[in-house]
Amino acid sequence: EAQVTQNPRYLITVTGKKLTVTCSQNMNHEYMSWYRQDPGLGLRQIYYSMNVEVTDKGDVPEGYKVSRKEKRNFPLILESPSPNQTSLYFCASSPRGRTEAFFGQGTRLTVV
Amino acid sequence: AQTVTQSQPEMSVQEAETVTLSCTYDTSENNYYLFWYKQPPSRQMILVIRQEAYKQQNATENRFSVNFQKAAKSFSLKISDSQLGDTAMYFCASGGKLIFGQGTELSVKP
Repeated sequence: EAQVTQNPRYLITVTGKKLTVTCSQNMNHEYMSWYRQDPGLGLRQIYYSMNVEVTDKGDVPEGYKVSRKEKRNFPLILESPSPNQTSLYFCASSPRGRTEAFFGQGTRLTVV
Repeated sequence: AQTVTQSQPEMSVQEAETVTLSCTYDTSENNYYLFWYKQPPSRQMILVIRQEAYKQQNATENRFSVNFQKAAKSFSLKISDSQLGDTAMYFCASGGKLIFGQGTELSVKP
């Protein structure tokens, strides 16, 4: 089954404790991206990647890191999480940047 | 920079009636796509409809259709014969980097 898999689905952590949210797709898509969803703000792009080893900042990259060492994986790293990073996070992939995206199930992150 | 604006934070409609959700966008790209996504309470992101900007004909998918006005950079979604299962958050998105609007929360009332 074609899918984008995010883990974990839910995460509660403390300020400053490094964490990684994993994202994996099995559709051989070139384009992958990360979003955060906050009430009234919609989905805002954090980082995107056009292909392996090619990543770029989205609209809200501060406090986040990504890597794209393999085509299928695009992890999101929070080196030192803060409470303002409490949000719902989505990973997405698409065959190329201009077509519809396939989304993961979302990760609800709470930083206390 | 690409922007997408949804000016209706909330809307409601009676079951079986028609409702239109508004969206405006701005992009410097010549060839782009526009999308409407649905997000039910399960949080899953579901593609509702897609429009290719170089096609003048408005896209339709069963009860869902769009009114695409390229010159005005407007891309509204019409839902006909609304059903209770249409209750969800709806997001407009512009292709390329896939930028989303703020969302419209739609409630379909029995």
